[in-house]
Amino acid sequence: NAGVTQTPKFRILKIGQSMTLQCTQDMNHNYMYWYRQDPGMGLKLIYYSVGAGITDKGEVPNGYNVSRSTTEDFPLRLELAAPSQTSVYFCASRDDRGTDTQYFGPGTRLTVL
Amino acid sequence: QKEVEQNSGPLSVPEGAIASLNCTYSDRGSQSFFWYRQYSGKSPELIMSIYSNGDKEDGRFTAQLNKASQYVSLLIRDSQPSDSATYLCAVNNGAGGTSYGKLTFGQGTILTVHP
Repeated sequence: NAGVTQTPKFRILKIGQSMTLQCTQDMNHNYMYWYRQDPGMGLKLIYYSVGAGITDKGEVPNGYNVSRSTTEDFPLRLELAAPSQTSVYFCASRDDRGTDTQYFGPGTRLTVL
Repeated sequence: QKEVEQNSGPLSVPEGAIASLNCTYSDRGSQSFFWYRQYSGKSPELIMSIYSNGDKEDGRFTAQLNKASQYVSLLIRDSQPSDSATYLCAVNNGAGGTSYGKLTFGQGTILTVHP
């Protein structure tokens, strides 16, 4: 199992550009999450999903959108990138039964200039 | 606004000592508590979870929970240089079964274990 994979690893965007951060998990987990981590800070929840077709906002959703058409994939869309979105983005997944361990992907480091 | 606060760092301890990391949370409805370790440039990895008041031990790690005081801590015994990392406290509110595993994280405490 590859676990949770994210692409790209690094990206530099210009202000106003858009991009999609990809996240895929092969553990058949229903729950998936997007977090951002600013330097020296903890993680803040952007969006989450409890299954295909079901998504909801987290603590800091402004400037982002998500979709969940399959169990495996949970892409995060940035429209009109702003310098405040410079951060490291982590995707995570969790089984909705039994253990509540969240498994994190390796992260995407995004810089908006 | 549900908050999770960790003791300010960085924390530096000598090899072989006990490292003590502390965390307080604001929501009395919180059900589940986690400690994650994050090496520089890497993603967080779960090292301990605790759900009931008291102590939970796993190897060199002991998590302590006091719901009345809204306090959770992590003790690392016989600290090793390889324990040098940022430690993140996370809380799942779990109220009414609708939390869907959402976590609120503290800001992290940087631990350095020097030889």
